Amino acid sequence: QVQLVQSGGEVKRPGASVTFSCKASGYTFTSYGISWVRQAPGQGLEWMGWIHTFSGNTNYAQKFQGRVSMTTDTSTSTAYMELRSLRSDDTAIYYCTKNSGMSAWYPSDFWGQGTLLTVSS
Amino acid sequence: QSVLTQPPSVSAAPGQKVTISCSGGSSNIGNNYVSWYQHLPGTAPKLLIYENNKRPSGIPDRFSGSKSGTSATLGITGLQTGDEADYYCGTWAGSLNAGVVFGGGTKLTVL
Repeated sequence: QVQLVQSGGEVKRPGASVTFSCKASGYTFTSYGISWVRQAPGQGLEWMGWIHTFSGNTNYAQKFQGRVSMTTDTSTSTAYMELRSLRSDDTAIYYCTKNSGMSAWYPSDFWGQGTLLTVSS
Repeated sequence: QSVLTQPPSVSAAPGQKVTISCSGGSSNIGNNYVSWYQHLPGTAPKLLIYENNKRPSGIPDRFSGSKSGTSATLGITGLQTGDEADYYCGTWAGSLNAGVVFGGGTKLTVL
């Protein structure tokens, strides 16, 4: 069965960087895209970007361009997302998701359990 | 401020039917498929509907989706207490810069 297992919660200071990991299993990793979505406290879902797991091509939401990097390690079927220059409003639960196809416009048919990031001084 | 507009909350009694609307524009819903997600507290969101009206395997036919023009609707029949959750619509925004857009979410209360 498809599983996306994310790394544990993080607490960071403003200005720091954080890297999230997402280990996939139960499907061919390089056949489907990976997207990242976050949810701030009391807020809705927010799409951050997508990575083509075979080529490594990425597409980031304009809001995060320059602050986010998405990568994969195909040898371990793991996706990573680095978020830099953290601010307090980056406090949120971050989800990795498997796209139902390779391209970014395919819906997210499986989601990781989420990683809570708290940014506080 | 979400790109797609959903009602903040809906409610109905067990066994009844409820609909949740999602309104967008020509660049997003008008020209792309709509998906719906169920988000139970403390769990990961789950895909309920894709390509406007298709259900992934395992999703009961109590859940249905439709789209007309720049709006979409999620329908849930035979409401159960376990259906209490936040529901989100989502779609491609029509450009790589904008990516995927979601509605603000609708809290369903089963009275």
